[in-house]
Amino acid sequence: DGGITQSPKYLFRKEGQNVTLSCEQNLNHDAMYWYRQDPGQGLRLIYYSQIVNDFQKGDIAEGYSVSREKKESFPLTVTSAQKNPTAFYLCASSIYKDSYQPQHFGDGTRLSIL
Amino acid sequence: RKEVEQDPGPFNVPEGATVAFNCTYSNSASQSFFWYRQDCRKEPKLLMSVYSSGNEDGRFTAQLNRASQYISLLIRDSKLSDSATYLCVVNNVNRDDKIIFGKGTRLHILP
Repeated sequence: DGGITQSPKYLFRKEGQNVTLSCEQNLNHDAMYWYRQDPGQGLRLIYYSQIVNDFQKGDIAEGYSVSREKKESFPLTVTSAQKNPTAFYLCASSIYKDSYQPQHFGDGTRLSIL
Repeated sequence: RKEVEQDPGPFNVPEGATVAFNCTYSNSASQSFFWYRQDCRKEPKLLMSVYSSGNEDGRFTAQLNRASQYISLLIRDSKLSDSATYLCVVNNVNRDDKIIFGKGTRLHILP
């Protein structure tokens, strides 16, 4: 079954700690995206990547970093510089880099501060 | 005007009724439009793309009104399982064609 897999489902971060959220897709999609969703709020774009070894900042990139070494994988690191990391993190992918194709989402990672 | 705007609701609708909600967008050059459904504490799932000619999928009908810059979603014969938040999605040609998500409209179907 093709899809997008995010792990872990729940993650707890201590003060000053970096944590990495995994996102893997086997849909052969070119573009991948990371969003953050706070309770009762819409999705905000953190980073996106249209091709391997290239990525761009979204609207709220500060305190986050990403890599795209493989087409299938787009991990997100939440660094200690992100002072308010508690949120629901969603990874998405789409077949082409343009916006005419819909995005498909993984089932998310909930990050909380200890 | 916000890039993508939706009435947050909640819309409380009895089972079997027809419900419709709109989403307005600010950029007249937008070309891509989608409706997603998001259940509580779950990921958004694509419900349907919205085409210029309008499209229908079972009980769901989506329409685009370019002149007034809004898209609509109509749900007929609503079911309890339709209770969710419905997200409107539009591309923004002035921002590298990035997709913009609305904050969603909450729908509660009442038994």
